[in-house]
Order: sequence, then structure tokens, then C-alpha cells
Amino acid sequence: EAGVAQSPRYKIIEKRQSVAFWCNPISGHATLYWYQQILGQGPKLLIQFQNNGVVDDSQLPKDRFSAERLKGVDSTLKIQPAKLEDSAVYLCASSQSPPSTFFGQGTRLTVV
Amino acid sequence: GENVEQHPSTLSVQEGDSAVIKCTYSDSASNYFPWYKQELGKRPQLIIDIRSNVGEKKDQRIAVTLNKTAKHFSLHITETQPEDSAVYFCAGGYQKVTFGTGTKLQVIP
Repeated sequence: EAGVAQSPRYKIIEKRQSVAFWCNPISGHATLYWYQQILGQGPKLLIQFQNNGVVDDSQLPKDRFSAERLKGVDSTLKIQPAKLEDSAVYLCASSQSPPSTFFGQGTRLTVV
Repeated sequence: GENVEQHPSTLSVQEGDSAVIKCTYSDSASNYFPWYKQELGKRPQLIIDIRSNVGEKKDQRIAVTLNKTAKHFSLHITETQPEDSAVYFCAGGYQKVTFGTGTKLQVIP
């Protein structure tokens, strides 16, 4: 079965710029997660979708981060404006039967 | 919310020896405990998981044990090989999981 797809793999932006990441989950997986993984740390959940509804966004910095999953399949995560501390790997994951979760390759964001 | 602590942060073992990584959790409602292996620059890969109605689960050289009373769970890798070298994350939760801080395992040939 195809895995979770993410793009781009790498992104370098200047602080205060905006950036968007895209994720296509495993086919049939109703639950989609966005995680932030800072170097040397474990993944931290930013937002969890069930189909196109938000289940948990308690750790999403809503002043600068936004995410959507309009048709219950693909999702985008946006940061605007970016800060230096947003440099991290952004991992998308999906699940058919939460919380068993499968990760994509991630997008490595560097903010300079 | 759930808080997962993981120890040790680094672990070096000789090839062929066993490795044990331990985690504790805080929320008694947590019922799912997966373990992930992450090689440098790659995605976390689910290697084994256990649910709270089971005390132990084994898959070839890896096994996980769960003590619900003490709220701790452990990963055991036997007959370690150089390709086992990676960062291992434990996690725990109910509808979503919280990750530990990771253990960097180095298997010395």
C-alpha cells in the first residue's frame, strides 16, 4: 500500500515569510495528524483531523499556524509569518484506526 | 494531558547484546503504547505496539512489556545488530499519542 505523501521535502525561507506544506494520507485513513519534530526531540502533535473536522488543535500556535483538510483527504499546513524557532521537520501522519499512526517522510523547514 | 518520560537518552551496546529502553506515562486512561524507530533523516517507523489489555508482546527480536499498575512500559531488543542503531521513541495515549523524548541506540560491531 502507498504510504503518506508529503511535499516539499525541504524548504528554506526567511523569517516573516510564509510557507505551506502538503500531505496526502494513506488511502482510506480518516484520521490525519500534523506533527512538529524539532531536532533531538520527539514529534509534537500540532493538529488532528477526523475526516475534514478538527479533533484536536490545542498545541497549534493559531496566531501563525493554520491547517485545513477541506475534502477529508489531502491537507495543507501553513505558517505565516515564520519565526526562527519554527525550524523543524513537519511530519504528516494518518491512521485508519486511531491511534495507530503511520508517518510521511516529512518536510524539513529551515527559517533563516 | 498525557506525559511520557523515556530513559535512557543514549544507549550503547555491543553487537549481540540486549538493549532495554524504559518509559513511564501519567494518564491512567491511556490504552495504546507504540514504539517507533527513526533512522537519521528518515520518518518514524512503527516497529511494535501494545494495548493495555495485554502485558507483553513479542515480534522476532523485539518485545514490549506493559505494567499498567506502575504505568511503565519497556522495549527489549535481543541479539542486537548494527542496523538496529537508530533513535527509538515510545509513545502512549488514548485517541492520540504523546511521544517520549527518544533514545539514541548505538550498536557497536
